[in-house]
Amino acid sequence: NAGVTQTPKFRILKIGQSMTLQCTQDMNHNYMYWYRQDPGMGLKLIYYSVGAGITDKGEVPNGYNVSRSTTEDFPLRLELAAPSQTSVYFCASSPRDRGRGETQYFGPGTRLLVL
Amino acid sequence: GNSVTQMEGPVTLSEEAFLTINCTYTATGYPSLFWYVQYPGEGLQLLLKATKADDKGSNKGFEATYRKETTSFHLEKGSVQVSDSAVYFCALRGLNDYKLSFGAGTTVTVRA
Repeated sequence: NAGVTQTPKFRILKIGQSMTLQCTQDMNHNYMYWYRQDPGMGLKLIYYSVGAGITDKGEVPNGYNVSRSTTEDFPLRLELAAPSQTSVYFCASSPRDRGRGETQYFGPGTRLLVL
Repeated sequence: GNSVTQMEGPVTLSEEAFLTINCTYTATGYPSLFWYVQYPGEGLQLLLKATKADDKGSNKGFEATYRKETTSFHLEKGSVQVSDSAVYFCALRGLNDYKLSFGAGTTVTVRA
């Protein structure tokens, strides 16, 4: 299993450009998440999904959009990139929650710089 | 809401030294508690977890005990190695909550 894969690894965007961060998992997990990690801060949840066709906002959703058309894929869309979106983005997945202790599996991250 | 506070770093240690990273939390009910580790250039991976009071999670020589009375989940290792150099995150998942709430992370550097 490849686990959770993310592309690209690094990207530079100009202000106002748009892009899609790709995330794929091959573990047949129902739940998927997008987090951002800013320097000296913990991870903040952007969006999450509990299954194909179902998405919901996290703590910091403004400026982002997501879709979940398949179990495997959970792309994150940035429209009109702003410098405040400079961050490292992590995708994660977990199995259906059965006992509250389900592990989240993280991808390697995408480093985004908006200039 | 749920929140996690962990000790600020960076922490620099010599090999074979004792490591402790403090973590306290605020949550209603009985959350699940986690320690994740991020090695340089990599994503986060689960180090250990505990899902109820007095549970002890352990992995790779690291331990943490879920203390409900002090709302704490401190991470400890008796003898660190250079390969333990990483950023360590304490996190919690509240009852009926999908997301993890993370602490700010503690950077640990172990010198030979």
